Amino acid sequence: DVKVTQSSRYLVKRTGEKVFLECVQDMDHENMFWYRQDPGLGLRLIYFSYDVKMKEKGDIPEGYSVSREKKERFSLILESASTNQTSMYLCASIGVGRGANVLTFGAGSRLTVL
Amino acid sequence: DQQVKQNSPSLSVQEGRISILNCDYTNSMFDYFLWYKKYPAEGPTFLISISSIKDKNEDGRFTVFLNKSAKHLSLHIVPSQPGDSAVYFCAAPKGGGNKLTFGTGTQLKVEL
Repeated sequence: DVKVTQSSRYLVKRTGEKVFLECVQDMDHENMFWYRQDPGLGLRLIYFSYDVKMKEKGDIPEGYSVSREKKERFSLILESASTNQTSMYLCASIGVGRGANVLTFGAGSRLTVL
Repeated sequence: DQQVKQNSPSLSVQEGRISILNCDYTNSMFDYFLWYKKYPAEGPTFLISISSIKDKNEDGRFTVFLNKSAKHLSLHIVPSQPGDSAVYFCAAPKGGGNKLTFGTGTQLKVEL
């Protein structure tokens, strides 16, 4: 089974802090994604990476950046956290040509910004 | 611009009865749809999908129906079980690279 691991399940940060959310997948998948889930808004794509060092903005990239130095690891960075970034963050991956758009998600990282 | 819409934020059904979750879309270029299920404190898991060349796909208790002319799909769960209580998201591929656009979700509660 594909495993997508988000190392931090719950974080509490203060406004203005720099926040790193880490995601690792173990199936050599090319494509990785960061979504956030908010009540009434569903899942919204923040950033997408289709290869090492390659990234593409999603629908709501403002206030976020990403890093993909190794194929298995995709990091989401909040340079200066704000209260409106309090959310559930979900990482996902998929291999090219596999599973017809079936993304595998991690368990999520619940971030609270005070 | 919400291209995939789930207009019912919640649904309550009795155990053993049918649950029907609805999803509407606006982009006629969408040719594939997926349903994901999400429990609290877990990531979404894939449930069932349908290609636009079909109007029905069935997997055990779960059936998805697609009405292309109405730009509408629905997920039927029969019979509903308490373990089906979760948030259900419909989704469609948007652009390349397996990116998915999701609906806002419907919270299903199956009561005893």
